[in-house]
Amino acid sequence: DTEVTQTPKHLVMGMTNKKSLKCEQHMGHRAMYWYKQKAKKPPELMFVYSYEKLSINESVPSRFSPECPNSSLLNLHLHALQPEDSALYLCASSQSGLQLSPQETQYFGPGTRLLVL
Amino acid sequence: AQSVAQPEDQVNVAEGNPLTVKCTYSVSGNPYLFWYVQYPNRGLQFLLKYITGDNLVKGSYGFEAEFNKSQTSFHLKKPSALVSDSALYFCAVRPYTGGFKTIFGAGTRLFVKA
Repeated sequence: DTEVTQTPKHLVMGMTNKKSLKCEQHMGHRAMYWYKQKAKKPPELMFVYSYEKLSINESVPSRFSPECPNSSLLNLHLHALQPEDSALYLCASSQSGLQLSPQETQYFGPGTRLLVL
Repeated sequence: AQSVAQPEDQVNVAEGNPLTVKCTYSVSGNPYLFWYVQYPNRGLQFLLKYITGDNLVKGSYGFEAEFNKSQTSFHLKKPSALVSDSALYFCAVRPYTGGFKTIFGAGTRLFVKA
């Protein structure tokens, strides 16, 4: 099973709302990632978790709050977002947890399309 | 600095014709190169990767890519395009020293016309 699942598929929220995105994988991968992708642009790395610990935060605003409750789950909590945060949010995972080995493949979920009004 | 360039924003090809999506890279040390495809409103799907060895790498859905060290290129190819190949294609490079970052190119949109 090489599947990463993400819920919800679509999300519309107001700037005062609090919502969460969920990502799940059952491949035994120990690294999990959040990416943000604007239309017709490449994915931009936001966060990396390694062995359930936050390893990389790419200077993401605090209105985005990641959480890794266990090795299979990754959440992204959203609060007080801005319209410019509207994007496709992609979750990915890879096998190694300590660092991404150069030859490793990242497996991506289908994404959550977020619209902030 | 590590970087990836996809010089074409868009590639148009007729169904049944061969297709090429170009990618050039700049890395220190041995390159580790990847191609991903993204269909509308979907995540990225892994197509193929070059790690070492044979310069011609075969991947999913009939795609292949040729690693050319002298030209620092890793072009994606398919002998006969299908309409269903229409999608956004990303070339990516992984730093030789490891680390969690994958450097993506800007993407090339492929249109295959029936």
